[in-house]
Amino acid sequence: DAMVIQNPRYQVTQFGKPVTLSCSQTLNHNVMYWYQQKSSQAPKLLFHYYDKDFNNEADTPDNFQSRRPNTSFCFLDIRSPGLGDAAMYLCATSAGTGGDEQFFGPGTRLTVL
Amino acid sequence: GENVEQHPSTLSVQEGDSAVIKCTYSDSASNYFPWYKQELGKGPQLIIDIRSNVGEKKDQRIAVTLNKTAKHFSLHITETQPEDSAVYFCAAGANQAGTALIFGKGTTLSVSS
Repeated sequence: DAMVIQNPRYQVTQFGKPVTLSCSQTLNHNVMYWYQQKSSQAPKLLFHYYDKDFNNEADTPDNFQSRRPNTSFCFLDIRSPGLGDAAMYLCATSAGTGGDEQFFGPGTRLTVL
Repeated sequence: GENVEQHPSTLSVQEGDSAVIKCTYSDSASNYFPWYKQELGKGPQLIIDIRSNVGEKKDQRIAVTLNKTAKHFSLHITETQPEDSAVYFCAAGANQAGTALIFGKGTTLSVSS
């Protein structure tokens, strides 16, 4: 089945230690999104790629970076995780615009010690 | 930019009752309105969506209604079951390149048997 895959499902890192989260998709979608979701809150969009074009949300901290080496893969890099960065990180894809259905991955639960 | 408000934040019903969740949006350019269900520890899953050229859409026990004039849309779940217990998010999006879905803050639905 076509799907959005996130690895790892659970990630533990230390305060200040860089961490990378991975997302891959078999849907061949143009757009890939990264969301941060804290407990009992809505997903918060960090940034998204339309093909190779990177779109950063205005309030996304510089500590968060992303790479999309090809259509299928997208990475979220947290350069110096703080305790406040502990959250669920969701990857999603869509065919093109905000008017297209978004498909979410299962998420990666990040713990910062 | 778009703003989506969702009410109520929590909803408790008895099994077999109906549940209604309401959302309003602000941007008249929005023309796509999905509803997502998120179970604990999982990514959001699309359960139903509606586009602005229709007023109502049904899928078994789930229905969504849209009032473009008033800029609001609602999710209706009939004959609720315990497995309907989850967090539900509404969202709004537009067919414009570079845009993304804007999510409401979510409704925690609890169905007791």
